[in-house]
Amino acid sequence: EIVMTQSPATLSVSPGERATLSCRASQSVSSNLAWYQHKPGQAPRLLIYGASTRATGIPARFSGSGSGTEFTLTISSLQSEDFALYYCQQYNNWPPITFGQGTKLEIK
Amino acid sequence: QVQLVQSGAEVKKPGASVKVSCKASGYTFTNYDINWVRQATGQGLEWMGWMNPNNADTGYAQKFQGRVTMTRNTSITTAYMELSSLRSEDTAVYYCARMGWHGDLDYWGQGTRVTVSS
Repeated sequence: EIVMTQSPATLSVSPGERATLSCRASQSVSSNLAWYQHKPGQAPRLLIYGASTRATGIPARFSGSGSGTEFTLTISSLQSEDFALYYCQQYNNWPPITFGQGTKLEIK
Repeated sequence: QVQLVQSGAEVKKPGASVKVSCKASGYTFTNYDINWVRQATGQGLEWMGWMNPNNADTGYAQKFQGRVTMTRNTSITTAYMELSSLRSEDTAVYYCARMGWHGDLDYWGQGTRVTVSS
C-alpha cells in the first residue's frame, strides 16, 4: 500500500498571500495524484487531477505540480473561502486508493 | 448535471448493520465506478472500497473485508454500501463518490452520518 504524507499538518496564512502545501508518496505514483478541498459539513471537492490539471470550475489561483513522489498544491492570493482542509490522493496503484492525512489551512 | 444523493442519517447500536444508499443522476450510471469513503470525527478521509455498477465487481479495503458489502440496482441508478458488526469506531460520515476516467473522485455525495451508540 502506498502511504501518502502531507505537510505541514496546519498552515497559517494571511488572506491575499500564497499557500504552498506538500504531499509525498512512499513510492512513485507517476502523475496519478489528485487534490481535494474539504470544508466542514460539505462533501470533498476535486481541485486537481493528474497532479497538475484543474478540475472543471476550479479557479486559476489553484495549481498543482510534481511527479513521482513529491507534489505541491499552490494557492496564490488566498481568498476567505479557501480556508479549509486539503487532501492529496494517489490512484496510480490501487486498490487501495490512499489519501494523505490532510493539511488544515487556517487564517493567520 | 451529475448528482449523487445519499440517504439520511442513521443511529445504530453496536453489532447492528447499516445500509447507505447513493442515488446517481445526470450521467450513465454503469459507465463509472462508485467508491465509498468515510471520515470519522477529527480524522482524515478513509477509502473503503469500490464497485463497478456495470458488472457489480467490487474491491474492498483490507480493513473492512468481511464487514462491508457494496451493491447496486441499475434500474434505479442507486449504489449501496452495507457495513455490519458496527462498533463505536464506525461512527463517521460516509460518502459515495464517482471515479472519473483518470482515477480521481470527481463527484461526491453529500455524506451520510452514521452514529453507533448503545
